[in-house]
Amino acid sequence: GAGVSQSPSNKVTEKGKDVELRCDPISGHTALYWYRQSLGQGLEFLIYFQGNSAPDKSGLPSDRFSAERTGGSVSTLTIQRTQQEDSAVYLCASSPRTSWGSYEQYFGPGTRLTVT
Amino acid sequence: DAKTTQPPSMDCAEGRAANLPCNHSTISGNEYVYWYRQIHSQGPQYIIHGLKNNETNEMASLIITEDRKSSTLILPHATLRDTAVYYCIVRVERYGGSQGNLIFGKGTKLSVKP
Repeated sequence: GAGVSQSPSNKVTEKGKDVELRCDPISGHTALYWYRQSLGQGLEFLIYFQGNSAPDKSGLPSDRFSAERTGGSVSTLTIQRTQQEDSAVYLCASSPRTSWGSYEQYFGPGTRLTVT
Repeated sequence: DAKTTQPPSMDCAEGRAANLPCNHSTISGNEYVYWYRQIHSQGPQYIIHGLKNNETNEMASLIITEDRKSSTLILPHATLRDTAVYYCIVRVERYGGSQGNLIFGKGTKLSVKP
């Protein structure tokens, strides 16, 4: 079946501009995560959505970052007034389960954001 | 979540089995062992996970020691496309999946050579 998709695959923007990154999770997955990965670095957690619960925003680095998830499916990550340090690959992952037990995360291909 | 230790790099000949070790000596009873990999310029890919028993799927096998303090990921017939960084993660699973964000360590860079 279809995996997690993200768009755009690449985005180049000027410092100070706003950008929107989109994530389409796997159908039926209730959990959705946003991460970012700077060159040669590990994953940095940004935000987590689970069903209709309030999102866990504890990883957002500043108030310039926000995310929405509409209808429990598609999610948009918005970065306002972009800075050069925002340059990274932004990864979205979705996960199928909500009950006790283990569950795995399926990642999209990422959006490579470059702020010039 | 418990800390894991992996060798920074390993080589494997194409067609041979790749055995990637992971130490997690402080693992607790309700923590699962997960393996992910990240091929260059791609998003991470889930491979396999387990709690106590050995597990096998179409990608790999996971061998967990009886005391659960270490595990080994086995790629039975490594190909050049298996060249990637492999991450071993130990996680507690909670009801509702809360706080389930992944934390990757440095992983093992596996190089499969022809």
